[in-house]
Amino acid sequence: DAGVIQSPRHEVTEMGQEVTLRCKPISGHDYLFWYRQTMMRGLELLIYFNNNVPIDDSGMPEDRFSAKMPNASFSTLKIQPSEPRDSAVYFCASSMAGYRNYGYTFGSGTRLTVV
Amino acid sequence: DQQVKQNSPSLSVQEGRISILNCDYTNSMFDYFLWYKKYPAEGPTFLISISSIKDKNEDGRFTVFLNKSAKHLSLHIVPSQPGDSAVYFCAASEWGAQKLVFGQGTRLTINP
Repeated sequence: DAGVIQSPRHEVTEMGQEVTLRCKPISGHDYLFWYRQTMMRGLELLIYFNNNVPIDDSGMPEDRFSAKMPNASFSTLKIQPSEPRDSAVYFCASSMAGYRNYGYTFGSGTRLTVV
Repeated sequence: DQQVKQNSPSLSVQEGRISILNCDYTNSMFDYFLWYKKYPAEGPTFLISISSIKDKNEDGRFTVFLNKSAKHLSLHIVPSQPGDSAVYFCAASEWGAQKLVFGQGTRLTINP
């Protein structure tokens, strides 16, 4: 199993530009999570999906952020327009129901820098 | 509102000694707790967990202790090894909930 795959690994963009982060979860996992890591707040949950349906998006900071999961093997997190304060590492994770024995599996993250 | 708090941003321990990482939580509905380990340029990986019906769980060199009355948990690593140098995240969830709430993380450095 290739694990959770995120792309790109690094993204540098100018303020005001649209940014799209991508995630392929582990096959068979029915939950997908988007987290953001910052020094001040650690890992913050942005949104999560169950069977491709958004369940909780209360962590999405602003309307500039949107996420989709068109099918079980792909999800995107979009920021439009991007701002310097969006600079962070964004992680995607997936799990099966009953994760409590082994937790989530995280991808390697996308480091976003907005200049 | 930070429901899970790791008040020590960093910790330095000598190789072979015990490392103790601490975590506090405020939500009394949390009933399951996990520790994740993160190396640079990698995603966090699951390390060990504990249910609120227990007060201790061991896995090799790693032991997690839970004090429900104090809303406090800790991770003990004995003996500490250089490969344990990483950022450690504490996480918690409510019964029936799928989402995990994470702390800010503690950077552990093991010195030879």
